[in-house]
Amino acid sequence: DADVTQTPRNRITKTGKRIMLECSQTKGHDRMYWYRQDPGLGLRLIYYSFDVKDINKGEISDGYSVSRQAQAKFSLSLESAIPNQTALYFCATSDLGNGEQFFGPGTRLTVL
Amino acid sequence: EDQVTQSPEALRLQEGESSSLNCSYTVSGLRGLFWYRQDPGKGPEFLFTLYSAGEEKEKERLKATLTKKESFLHITAPKPEDSATYLCAVQRINDMRFGAGTRLTVKP
Repeated sequence: DADVTQTPRNRITKTGKRIMLECSQTKGHDRMYWYRQDPGLGLRLIYYSFDVKDINKGEISDGYSVSRQAQAKFSLSLESAIPNQTALYFCATSDLGNGEQFFGPGTRLTVL
Repeated sequence: EDQVTQSPEALRLQEGESSSLNCSYTVSGLRGLFWYRQDPGKGPEFLFTLYSAGEEKEKERLKATLTKKESFLHITAPKPEDSATYLCAVQRINDMRFGAGTRLTVKP
C-alpha cells in the first residue's frame, strides 16, 4: 500500500466552487506539506504543518486554506476556485530529522 | 531572494551519451540540497541529499556533487529508463524550495 495517498486523483470543477483535496499518510511523520506544480515553475509550497497544532503559510497561500485533522491527515481547500488554480497538487511528508520529503501521487485539478 | 535555477530545461541524449545537469542556488540558511526524480503522472522520488561543499553521492549511473553555489547531477552512460524530470531542491530552516526541473530524454 502507498505510504502517502491523495484523493481525488483527478477533479474537474467550475469557477466559484469549493474544493477539498485530501492527503493521508501511514509513514508516521509529523511534518506535512501541500505543493502545486505548474509547467516551467516547478513545485511551489502552499502550506505546511509540523504537527497537528501547527499550520504555516508557504510561498503561495492566497486563495487556499488547510486543515490538519490528525497526524496522518492534511487537507487543502480552495474556497472559491478560479481557473489559474488549475494545476497538479502534491502532498508530501517528512520526518523531523533529515528533511527528505515523501510525495503522494498527485491530484490533477482543472478549474473551468 | 532565495532562488534555485536548473539548467538546461530539457536535455536529449542518445543511450550511452554521458552528460550533466546543473542546479545553481542562492539561499540563506542552507540545510541541505536534494535531488529528486519525477516520472510523468507521479510524485517526485528522492535520489540524494548533499550537505556540504565537496560532498558526492552515487547511485547506479547517477552521481551528485555539491559546491558552495551549485550542484551537478552527472549521468554516466544513460539508458532509456533514465528518462524523467530531475528536480533539485534546497532545504531552508523551515521549508524546501524547488527548481523548475530538467526534463531528460534518453533515446535508444
